[in-house]
Amino acid sequence: EPEVTQTPSHQVTQMGQEVILRCVPISNHLYFYWYRQILGQKVEFLVSFYNNEISEKSEIFDDQFSVERPDGSNFTLKIRSTKLEDSAMYFCASSEGKAEGEETQYFGPGTRLLVL
Amino acid sequence: RKEVEQDPGPFNVPEGATVAFNCTYSNSASQSFFWYRQDCRKEPKLLMSVYSSGNEDGRFTAQLNRASQYISLLIRDSKLSDSATYLCVVNTGNQFYFGTGTSLTVIP
Repeated sequence: EPEVTQTPSHQVTQMGQEVILRCVPISNHLYFYWYRQILGQKVEFLVSFYNNEISEKSEIFDDQFSVERPDGSNFTLKIRSTKLEDSAMYFCASSEGKAEGEETQYFGPGTRLLVL
Repeated sequence: RKEVEQDPGPFNVPEGATVAFNCTYSNSASQSFFWYRQDCRKEPKLLMSVYSSGNEDGRFTAQLNRASQYISLLIRDSKLSDSATYLCVVNTGNQFYFGTGTSLTVIP
């Protein structure tokens, strides 16, 4: 069964450093997403991406964040200058489309980011 | 007001019990609805989509009441493996909004 994959599974970084989280969405999916989940809290939407551009973003997704699809398979989330409060699990997800029946999102296993 | 509200529980039920989870959403324009399951420190996994007519998948039944903006999940004949957090998810304006989740523990 096709699945979303993410690397690395864990990342520890110093405050102020840049991190890049990587995702490989399901191959025939067209929409890609990033979410975060701070420990003990709910899953929060960050951004959605379609046709090589951002289609929606939340208030959390400020200028410190950027996304990119550098090639035909990878989808990346970059945090330019990490803060302590960026420590969270980051999930990538993908969906076939937006129409009814296509909009179900499938999640990767996540990258646990710890900012020291 | 929160987009999606769920009773966080925890629900502790014996094996074989029937348990129901409820969820309300605030935006009447919300388009689609889902229940996801999340095991500890794992990713959310789709349990089932929720349709207006209600839908059933084995021991799981989901209902949607658009007038009351209310979604439910019923689990019959609970198994130990059902222990997890159940997330109510609402698609509004092409954004997925998650509830905080309801924790279920099925006890032998």
